[in-house]
Amino acid sequence: DVKVTQSSRYLVKRTGEKVFLECVQDMDHENMFWYRQDPGLGLRLIYFSYDVKMKEKGDIPEGYSVSREKKERFSLILESASTNQTSMYLCASSFHRNTGELFFGEGSRLTVL
Amino acid sequence: SQQGEEDPQALSIQEGENATMNCSYKTSINNLQWYRQNSGRGLVHLILIRSNEREKHSGRLRVTLDTSKKSSSLLITASRAADTASYFCATDGYSGGGADGLTFGKGTHLIIQP
Repeated sequence: DVKVTQSSRYLVKRTGEKVFLECVQDMDHENMFWYRQDPGLGLRLIYFSYDVKMKEKGDIPEGYSVSREKKERFSLILESASTNQTSMYLCASSFHRNTGELFFGEGSRLTVL
Repeated sequence: SQQGEEDPQALSIQEGENATMNCSYKTSINNLQWYRQNSGRGLVHLILIRSNEREKHSGRLRVTLDTSKKSSSLLITASRAADTASYFCATDGYSGGGADGLTFGKGTHLIIQP
């Protein structure tokens, strides 16, 4: 079975802390994505990557950065967490660059106090 | 940017009835996909329909696509309590060279009453 694993299901952090959200996929997919999901706003794309060491901004990259040092791992970094970054974060991967099925992780629910 | 918009936002029906959800989008697409999300979990892919297809079936799911109206519908037949979930449409937002992942709508929350 294909699998996308997010390291933490629930996190509670304080304002100003640096936060790392890790995502690993075992399908040898080149494409990986980070979305955030908020009530009434749906899923919004933060960053994506089509290759190792490559990253592209999505719709809402402000306040976030990413790292893709290995093909299977895509990390989302909140350099200085703020309360408006409290959200559900969803990692996904795909085989096809822009048109294929996305495989999602279970999500990481982050609360920033 | 948000491309797909599902309608209705919420739907409650009795077990055994059919459930229909609609999705409208704005720009040309290569394909449209439907996903399901159980409460507090990740999204799971249900079905993909290409822009040159009009209808597609998968088990109890039936998806239609009308590119002239830029709309799609998802029909779940003979609903079960386990179908209770949120359903999202997603489009690839084809722009002849752009590559920015899938764009999701805000979802339809479906509740199946036992």
